[in-house]
Amino acid sequence: DAGVIQSPRHEVTEMGQEVTLRCKPISGHDYLFWYRQTMMRGLELLIYFNNNVPIDDSGMPEDRFSAKMPNASFSTLKIQPSEPRDSAVYFCASSSYSRTGNNEQFFGPGTRLTVL
Amino acid sequence: GENVEQHPSTLSVQEGDSAVIKCTYSDSASNYFPWYKQELGKGPQLIIDIRSNVGEKKDQRIAVTLNKTAKHFSLHITETQPEDSAVYFCAASPPGEYGNKLVFGAGTILRVKS
Repeated sequence: DAGVIQSPRHEVTEMGQEVTLRCKPISGHDYLFWYRQTMMRGLELLIYFNNNVPIDDSGMPEDRFSAKMPNASFSTLKIQPSEPRDSAVYFCASSSYSRTGNNEQFFGPGTRLTVL
Repeated sequence: GENVEQHPSTLSVQEGDSAVIKCTYSDSASNYFPWYKQELGKGPQLIIDIRSNVGEKKDQRIAVTLNKTAKHFSLHITETQPEDSAVYFCAASPPGEYGNKLVFGAGTILRVKS
């Protein structure tokens, strides 16, 4: 299996622009998670999905952030409009309790976002 | 909700020495405790985990211990090597309606000096 795939790996944009991050989970996994990592706040859970349905979005910082999962193999995290404080590394992770017997999450390589 | 605290935030050890990282959690119902290693420029990767019905688990140079009464768990790395240098995260999995969620600690930067 190719693992969790994220794109782009790096994104540099200007304040006010729309940013879309993409994630392809491991095939057969039924949970998908979006995290944000910064030096100040560590690894923060933003939102997660189960069978394409958002379960907990309490970590989404503001209405500028939105996430979708139109099917089992694709999810997006959108920031509109972006601000410099959104600069961080964004990780996508997927898991399947039925496959692994536990809540192990498999992380993608991350997208490093820089908002100027 | 669940809260996980991790100490120390940074740890420097000499190659060959042991390293210990400690975490505490708040929700006594949490039942799964993984440890992740994150190397520079990569996503976190699971290195070992333990369930609440087990007190200790070992995998070569890595071991994890769990004290449910005190609500803390620890990662032990013996005979450290330079390639062990990374950021380590502990996590806890609270049960309930939001099952399958992990709550992470703040991370420990481990430096192994050769």
